Amino acid sequence: QQQVKQSPQSLIVQKGGISIINCAYENTAFDYFPWYQQFPGKGPALLIAIRPDVSEKKEGRFTISFNKSAKQFSLHIMDSQPGDSATYFCAASRGSGGYQKVTFGTGTKLQVIP
Amino acid sequence: GAGVSQSPSNKVTEKGKDVELRCDPISGHTALYWYRQSLGQGLEFLIYFQGNSAPDKSGLPSDRFSAERTGGSVSTLTIQRTQQEDSAVYLCASSLGQARYEQYFGPGTRLTVT
Repeated sequence: QQQVKQSPQSLIVQKGGISIINCAYENTAFDYFPWYQQFPGKGPALLIAIRPDVSEKKEGRFTISFNKSAKQFSLHIMDSQPGDSATYFCAASRGSGGYQKVTFGTGTKLQVIP
Repeated sequence: GAGVSQSPSNKVTEKGKDVELRCDPISGHTALYWYRQSLGQGLEFLIYFQGNSAPDKSGLPSDRFSAERTGGSVSTLTIQRTQQEDSAVYLCASSLGQARYEQYFGPGTRLTVT
C-alpha cells in the first residue's frame, strides 16, 4: 500500500521534444508529490513538487500534472535538452509521526539526443 | 551555504568487515534520513532522525545495520559483517524538519563489498 509505480524505466527523446514520465500511487494519505532529478555520481535534487489540491504545477519547462481521482501524476519536460539527461524519480510522502516519510518510484533514465 | 556532505565517497571492503559511513547535514536541519540505492533501483528508506526524538528504524534491513546521530548533527551509519548484497550507494538527506518537506541529498557513499 506504500508503493509508487513509475514508468517508463528508460526514455529516449530527441532534443526539443517532450519527455513524459508517469507515476501511480495507492495510498490516498499521501499529501505531497515531489520529483527528483539525479545526475550520475550525484545525490537526487528536488526538481518540482505538487500537493493534491491542485491539478497542475509549472516551473519553466517542467510541469507536473496531477489526477487525484486516478491516483496518478506525471512529469512533462517541454523542449527537452541534452542537459536534461538524468534519472528522474517521482515520490510521494505523508506525515507520519510528525515527519514526512517519502516513498520513491524506481526511477526513469532519460536520455535526450541532439 | 554548504550542502549535505558524506564520507567517504567510495568504500571498498571485504566481506565480513564492518564499515562506517558518515553524513554531515546542512546546518540547522533537524531531520536526517538515510537511504540505500542499489544499481538501477529506486531509493530504499533506511532510518530517520528528528531532533531528540527516537529514530524511525523501520527501514533497516537487518540487525547488522545501525545508525546514530550525535549532538543532533553528524550521523554515522554502521554496517557490521558486510555482505555482498550490501553493495550499493548510501545516500543521506536532511531537511528543516516536520513541517518542511524538501529533502536535500548528499552525493552518497558508494560501498562495494568484495
